[in-house]
Amino acid sequence: EPEVTQTPSHQVTQMGQEVILRCVPISNHLYFYWYRQILGQKVEFLVSFYNNEISEKSEIFDDQFSVERPDGSNFTLKIRSTKLEDSAMYFCASSQRQGETEAFFGQGTRLTVV
Amino acid sequence: QKEVEQDPGPLSVPEGAIVSLNCTYSNSAFQYFMWYRQYSRKGPELLMYTYSSGNKEDGRFTAQVDKSSKYISLFIRDSQPSDSATYLCAAHGSSNTGKLIFGQGTTLQVKP
Repeated sequence: EPEVTQTPSHQVTQMGQEVILRCVPISNHLYFYWYRQILGQKVEFLVSFYNNEISEKSEIFDDQFSVERPDGSNFTLKIRSTKLEDSAMYFCASSQRQGETEAFFGQGTRLTVV
Repeated sequence: QKEVEQDPGPLSVPEGAIVSLNCTYSNSAFQYFMWYRQYSRKGPELLMYTYSSGNKEDGRFTAQVDKSSKYISLFIRDSQPSDSATYLCAAHGSSNTGKLIFGQGTTLQVKP
């Protein structure tokens, strides 16, 4: 069964360092998303991406964040200068169509900023 | 007012019980609703996906949407210990960009 895969499963980084979280969406999906979940809190939308551009981003997705689809299969989230409060689970998701359709999630990357 | 609200629980039931999980939402423009199951430190796993009002059944799971009261439900029949997880309801945001708005999640424990 096709699935969204994310690497690494756990990333520890020092405050102020840059991190790149990687995702391989389901192969025939065209719409990609990043969400995050701080421990004990709800899953929050960060950004949606289609046709090599951002469709929508949340208030959380400030200038420290960027997304890229560098090679047609990977989808990355970069955090330029990590802060302690960026510690969370980051989930990648993908869907076949935009808007009202099922979105499938990866297993997540646990980011710990120390 | 939060867009999607869900009682975080925890909810504890004996094996074999019927479980009712509920969410409310505030934006009447929401049309599509999903239920995800999430095990500890894992990604959300899609269970059910419904459009507008009505019921949808899949095995032991039934999803129900009542748009008049802005109420979303998930029923689990013959609950099993393996159903123990956090259940997240989600609605498609009104922007039509695929953005999902999640509830807090309800933690369910099914005791053998």
